[in-house]
Amino acid sequence: DADVTQTPRNRITKTGKRIMLECSQTKGHDRMYWYRQDPGLGLRLIYYSFDVKDINKGEISDGYSVSRQAQAKFSLSLESAIPNQTALYFCATSDAAGQGHYQPQHFGDGTRLSIL
Amino acid sequence: KNQVEQSPQSLIILEGKNCTLQCNYTVSPFSNLRWYKQDTGRGPVSLTIMTFSENTKSNGRYTATLDADTKQSSLHITASQLSDSASYICVVSAGGFQKLVFGTGTRLLVSP
Repeated sequence: DADVTQTPRNRITKTGKRIMLECSQTKGHDRMYWYRQDPGLGLRLIYYSFDVKDINKGEISDGYSVSRQAQAKFSLSLESAIPNQTALYFCATSDAAGQGHYQPQHFGDGTRLSIL
Repeated sequence: KNQVEQSPQSLIILEGKNCTLQCNYTVSPFSNLRWYKQDTGRGPVSLTIMTFSENTKSNGRYTATLDADTKQSSLHITASQLSDSASYICVVSAGGFQKLVFGTGTRLLVSP
C-alpha cells in the first residue's frame, strides 16, 4: 500500500462547484503539504501544516482552504472552482525529526483535476 | 527573485549511456538542494539532498554535485536504464519547506 494516498486520482467538475481532495498517510509524519503542478511551471505550495493545530498559507493559497482532521489526514478544498485551478495536485509529508528541514518530502501520486 | 533553472528541458539517450542534467539557481539564503525523480503519473521521489558543505552525493547510479560558489548543481546518471525515463526536478531550499523553490524539470527518455 502507498504511504501517501490521495483521493480521487482524477476529477472533472464544473465551474462554481465545491471540491474536496483528500490525503492520508501511514508514515507517521507530523508535517503535511499541498502543492499544485502546472505544465511549464515548478510545483507551487498551496498550504502546509506542521502539526494538527498548525495550518499555514503557502505561495498560492487564494481560492483554497484546508483541514487537518488528524495527524494522518489533510484535505484541500476549492470553495468555488474556476477553470484556472485545473492542475495536478500533490500532497506530501515530511518527518520533523532532527533538523527537520533536511528531511525528504514524500509525495502521493497526485489528483488530476479538470474544471470545465 | 528566487529561481531554479534546469537544462536541458528534454533529453533522449540510448540505454546504457551516461547523461548529466544541469540545475542553476538564484536562491538566497541557501539551505539545501534536492533532486527528485518523477515518473509519469506518479509523485516525485527524493534522490538526494545536499547541504552547503556537501559537493557530491550518490544514490546508486545517480550522482549529484553541488558548487555553491557558482550556484550550480548537476545530476549524473550512469549506465542508464529504461526505468530512468522520467522527469528530474531540482529543488532549492531557502531555509524551510515553506521556502522550497522547484525547477520545471528535465524530461529524460531512455531509448532501447
